[in-house]
Amino acid sequence: DAGITQSPRHKVTETGTPVTLRCHQTENHRYMYWYRQDPGHGLRLIHYSYGVKDTDKGEVSDGYSVSRSKTEDFLLTLESATSSQTSVYFCAISESMQERDGYTFGSGTRLTVV
Amino acid sequence: GQNIDQPTEMTATEGAIVQINCTYQTSGFNGLFWYQQHAGEAPTFLSYNVLDGLEEKGRFSSFLSRSKGYSYLLLKELQMKDSASYLCAVRTGGGNKLTFGTGTQLKVEL
Repeated sequence: DAGITQSPRHKVTETGTPVTLRCHQTENHRYMYWYRQDPGHGLRLIHYSYGVKDTDKGEVSDGYSVSRSKTEDFLLTLESATSSQTSVYFCAISESMQERDGYTFGSGTRLTVV
Repeated sequence: GQNIDQPTEMTATEGAIVQINCTYQTSGFNGLFWYQQHAGEAPTFLSYNVLDGLEEKGRFSSFLSRSKGYSYLLLKELQMKDSASYLCAVRTGGGNKLTFGTGTQLKVEL
């Protein structure tokens, strides 16, 4: 198994509430990523991390924050959830920029904001 | 900016061959990936090209032309289980980031 897990797998939350999604890896990979996937848009990068406490924004970062205090954990927080953040969220890991296998993805978190 | 284009949908017959095209315009290039994604599941890695030419792996082949900004994924001897979405992604510099196309939904029919 790839050694990457996401929790929760499904969540329904109300508009305006904070939500935190967790990505946990056992591979000791350097890079971790959060993507969202929506019909007609494909996978879009929210935030990524290139080491402990080292993070940067992706193309759709507004309304999201991340933290990485340990190599194995990468947290995505929606500060105040909105209906436009209803989506499937995927975490991914990667070891290096020369890696031929690209990313390994977690199973995804389906988030519904009502 | 980054732009990756793929057809939205394709239909093919079991046992046939299908080619899924991908064109890209990106700032920087450090490899092109193809992923397969079944409905409700995570994407899984299929192939990788960084130099021009053809890479073959069993029933799947992928081609890259960097000068044309063009790639294709070739699936041979199609099976029903190949019905899935196929995602083209380009790795650009800085942070080892992948930019994805919107995916091609392939339907394999009897």
